[in-house]
Amino acid sequence: DAGVTQSPTHLIKTRGQQVTLRCSPKSGHDTVSWYQQALGQGPQFIFQYYEEEERQRGNFPDRFSGHQFPNYSSELNVNALLLGDSALYLCASSTRATQPQHFGDGTRLSIL
Amino acid sequence: GDSVTQMEGPVTLSEEAFLTINCTYTATGYPSLFWYVQYPGEGLQLLLKATKADDKGSNKGFEATYRKETTSFHLEKGSVQVSDSAVYFCALSARDNYGQNFVFGPGTRLSVLP
Repeated sequence: DAGVTQSPTHLIKTRGQQVTLRCSPKSGHDTVSWYQQALGQGPQFIFQYYEEEERQRGNFPDRFSGHQFPNYSSELNVNALLLGDSALYLCASSTRATQPQHFGDGTRLSIL
Repeated sequence: GDSVTQMEGPVTLSEEAFLTINCTYTATGYPSLFWYVQYPGEGLQLLLKATKADDKGSNKGFEATYRKETTSFHLEKGSVQVSDSAVYFCALSARDNYGQNFVFGPGTRLSVLP
């Protein structure tokens, strides 16, 4: 049973570009959350998707947007990239019941 | 808002030493509490959890007790191994009308020397 899978594993972009990160949740999970983890820090919540809608959002600007598809997979889009967007982006999946979130290995995004 | 505070690292111990990593939280309501571990180059793995006051979570020799009176969830292990070297994150999950989500502490890096 595959866990949470994310792609790509690494990505290098330049300032001002746009990026799309992808996540497939663990089988049986319908809720996907995205986190940004800067180097040496804990993950910060970006937003959560359920039933193809954004349900909760953390303190991130509108440059960060997302989407959830009918098969529960999800994308994170970031526009107008800044140097400060360099981080590990983690996807986590869960069910709507009280279950611990399962994390993927993340996408390492580097902005030059 | 909800928050989690952890002891600052790095923590360096010799193999077989006793480990304590302190974690305290601030939250409205009754959150669930978790410890996650992150090995180099990997995502987060759930280590243990507790969902109500006085619950003790345990896994792989690690344990933590949900203390509501002190709003704490300290991680302990009686005898650490080199393979326990990683970053440990304390987290809380509070449920509201929109579901549940996690607030993480800043992490504590543990290095165990042979």
